[in-house]
Amino acid sequence: AQSVSQHNHHVILSEAASLELGCNYSYGGTVNLFWYVQYPGQHLQLLLKYFSGDPLVKGIKGFEAEFIKSKFSFNLRKPSVQWSDTAEYFCAVIPILTGGGNKLTFGTGTQLKVEL
Amino acid sequence: DVKVTQSSRYLVKRTGEKVFLECVQDMDHENMFWYRQDPGLGLRLIYFSYDVKMKEKGDIPEGYSVSREKKERFSLILESASTNQTSMYLCASRTPSTDTQYFGPGTRLTVL
Repeated sequence: AQSVSQHNHHVILSEAASLELGCNYSYGGTVNLFWYVQYPGQHLQLLLKYFSGDPLVKGIKGFEAEFIKSKFSFNLRKPSVQWSDTAEYFCAVIPILTGGGNKLTFGTGTQLKVEL
Repeated sequence: DVKVTQSSRYLVKRTGEKVFLECVQDMDHENMFWYRQDPGLGLRLIYFSYDVKMKEKGDIPEGYSVSREKKERFSLILESASTNQTSMYLCASRTPSTDTQYFGPGTRLTVL
């Protein structure tokens, strides 16, 4: 079964600092990749996704992520964080299997706190 | 916009009670999912359903069952609630063509 690793469990940054959250997965075949975000008191929402094409994908609120197939990684980045980016971030992976049965596997999440 | 709603935001039950968590989506999605979210463990899949009356076990189905009698509604049932089922429960739906899941607001269940 596939697994997803998020190495940073808690990250604290000052406003305007740059952000990079790591995500690695363990599946050798073709995958679709996602980052979800959960702001305090809100429901989980999609930040960005990669299905195919340009490995650098841009999402909402200035976030981007780069898929590096050789490293099985899909790291999330933002050049300059804001206090409103305080949230929990989840990486998720779904293998592309013939015949369906594709299940999304989530990482354990990274809690980001941005200080003023 | 896709809307996924869950019957309760907060729920408090006693050990041994039967608990029903309801989820409704309004986008005619075929697939629906139930997860539980615990600190440090991320989201873990309990059950999912590809279509009406179909269900599949996820990674942690023990102690839970589900029901999908109508396409828009997916219910999670705790037959006899236990304290280790205290958690945040998230429902999601998706259409298979996009693989993108849409989540409800969650139900925070406390079992005393």
